[in-house]
Amino acid sequence: DAKTTQPNSMESNEEEPVHLPCNHSTISGTDYIHWYRQLPSQGPEYVIHGLTSNVNNRMASLAIAEDRKSSTLILHRATLRDAAVYYCILRGSGGSNYKLTFGKGTLLTVNP
Amino acid sequence: KAGVTQTPRYLIKTRGQQVTLSCSPISGHRSVSWYQQTPGQGLQFLFEYFSETQRNKGNFPGRFSGRQFSNSRSEMNVSTLELGDSALYLCASSSVSRAGGTTSSTDTQYFGPGTRLTVL
Repeated sequence: DAKTTQPNSMESNEEEPVHLPCNHSTISGTDYIHWYRQLPSQGPEYVIHGLTSNVNNRMASLAIAEDRKSSTLILHRATLRDAAVYYCILRGSGGSNYKLTFGKGTLLTVNP
Repeated sequence: KAGVTQTPRYLIKTRGQQVTLSCSPISGHRSVSWYQQTPGQGLQFLFEYFSETQRNKGNFPGRFSGRQFSNSRSEMNVSTLELGDSALYLCASSSVSRAGGTTSSTDTQYFGPGTRLTVL
């Protein structure tokens, strides 16, 4: 599986935007970029995914670089409930893409 | 729709014992995956079942096994427990979007709350 690199931790203030970066320089043309997050004492939950174009949903936005070697998850107004570990994951179209390969993720702390 | 449920939520066992964990996927989901989460190794894939068949297995010893029933509910079993098996075991279900059960790059996995296993 292609690898992703994320900062170990980031800090934000409540109601401010948060930009969580992810580098994936070995991404292949068919790899989708997925983001999951894991709140304390819970299982991971899906946030958003994209291929080439920027994507928006009710939780977040995903900005994908033109060369697709990096992406940024954007939380427009962080709340205390957004404090979690955020995982950037590449999913390919191969036969084993049913599994998610998690890295260490970014621990987001939100200050009140 | 009810989410993925896992039972029990907490379990304490001693070395050498065996344990069975249960997972009920979201209604209509036929793919169930299992993951192990530890502070040292993070989240690691154990295996995935689709229509009662194991499709692939992660890099874990044979002490870890699983099965899926016709109603898509799944169980995983760990025999001869070791201290290092202490972990959060997570189950995830997915609605497979492609005909024939092939998973798409866009299929979302929905995780349960996990079972916290402590081996003493």
